[in-house]
Amino acid sequence: AQRVTQPEKLLSVFKGAPVELKCNYSYSGSPELFWYVQYSRQRLQLLLRHISRESIKGFTADLNKGETSFHLKKPFAQEEDSAMYYCALSGTTSGTYKYIFGTGTRLKVLA
Amino acid sequence: DTGVSQNPRHKITKRGQNVTFRCDPISEHNRLYWYRQTLGQGPEFLTYFQNEAQLEKSRLLSDRFSAERPKGSFSTLEIQRTEQGDSAMYLCASSLGGGYEDIQYFGAGTRLSVL
Repeated sequence: AQRVTQPEKLLSVFKGAPVELKCNYSYSGSPELFWYVQYSRQRLQLLLRHISRESIKGFTADLNKGETSFHLKKPFAQEEDSAMYYCALSGTTSGTYKYIFGTGTRLKVLA
Repeated sequence: DTGVSQNPRHKITKRGQNVTFRCDPISEHNRLYWYRQTLGQGPEFLTYFQNEAQLEKSRLLSDRFSAERPKGSFSTLEIQRTEQGDSAMYLCASSLGGGYEDIQYFGAGTRLSVL
């Protein structure tokens, strides 16, 4: 089955602590992986995608094809990082496009 | 505002009624997507358009659901004979359409409540 798994519904960390939001995927093919973020009272927006290999707002994510993971990391959490984070993948299977989101992880950064 | 626009923002309807939602994508974007999101879940893909052509439909999109994108601009999603299980946030997104690595830009959504 093709799916994206985010095992943690809620992750609470203290300001300045490292953050790791986990994402595992199951997909037959070579998907593109994304992290989307939704801040309070704002719309869903892209945080970063694997193909760009960027660091956005101090966040990075490395695609591990062996472990089929795309964990999101930040060395020092800030209060403004508190938000809902969704891991997502897109790709094609037999010419059919697939867009699959995980169930999301709520990150709370405590002062 | 050059972002994706969705109307209405909220819709309350009685079971059995038909509802229609509208999505205006970013003007130069060729692709338009519809998702449904229920509480505690991530967005679930419903369908997408490349210009005016509807290229993919999820099994979630029952016969009561229909989507159109006439002229490749705005899109409408209609739900006929609504059921309580249709209560959800309906999200629209658009992208340039270069490939599956596209960045999707989301609207604020239409929240449907079926009483």
